[in-house]
Amino acid sequence: QSVLTQPPSVSGAPGQRVTISCTGSSSNIGGGYDVHWFQQLPGTAPKLLIYANNNRPSGVPDRFSGSKSGTSLSLAITGLQAEDEADYYCQSYDSSLNSYVFGTGTKVTVL
Amino acid sequence: QVQVQQWGAGLLKPSETLSLNCAVYGRSFNDYYWSWIRQPPGKGLEWIGEVNHSGYTNYNPSLKSRVTISVDTSKNQFSLTLNSVTAADTAVYYCARKGMSFDYWGQGTLVTVSS
Repeated sequence: QSVLTQPPSVSGAPGQRVTISCTGSSSNIGGGYDVHWFQQLPGTAPKLLIYANNNRPSGVPDRFSGSKSGTSLSLAITGLQAEDEADYYCQSYDSSLNSYVFGTGTKVTVL
Repeated sequence: QVQVQQWGAGLLKPSETLSLNCAVYGRSFNDYYWSWIRQPPGKGLEWIGEVNHSGYTNYNPSLKSRVTISVDTSKNQFSLTLNSVTAADTAVYYCARKGMSFDYWGQGTLVTVSS
């Protein structure tokens, strides 16, 4: 059972904008711990997409962006493309659990 | 550039010991923590623990009693041992570098526990 909650699925047509929320608590996101986002294509290892709330590693398109507000954080994908169809996970640290934690995961479907 | 390659046994019987290894190619092995993360089939990700070049470790409290992560700096390798496995330990196991986040990952190893 994860302490970071994400919607199970989101979908959008090509070119649209979709957002994925990641909701935590005062012992993780609300406690000021950074949140990171990963993209996992079927059958592959997760790939770091956003680090420290809103930073993109080299090579990640600027269609992907992160934002933080209180105990929630969101990943936005603009200009949705077929290749964006994947599972997305948020990740942070939880001071009550003394552990790195991942979100429940969101499957993005491109209609 | 950093490459992370992992290997280990993929089929275990209940009560046996899981053992996986991860080799890191590239510079700066000593500058980071190195983690193990697992993902049961069709489910989410779970952090198992981490080690640094000095052998200092942190473990997920839910697995701490059964987990050992060790390091061999002469080979730029680190290893995972999980004792007394059950079917609930069936998962793809990944090794990864902890930079700002988990930025470099191994290819994953499917470990199946079945009698």
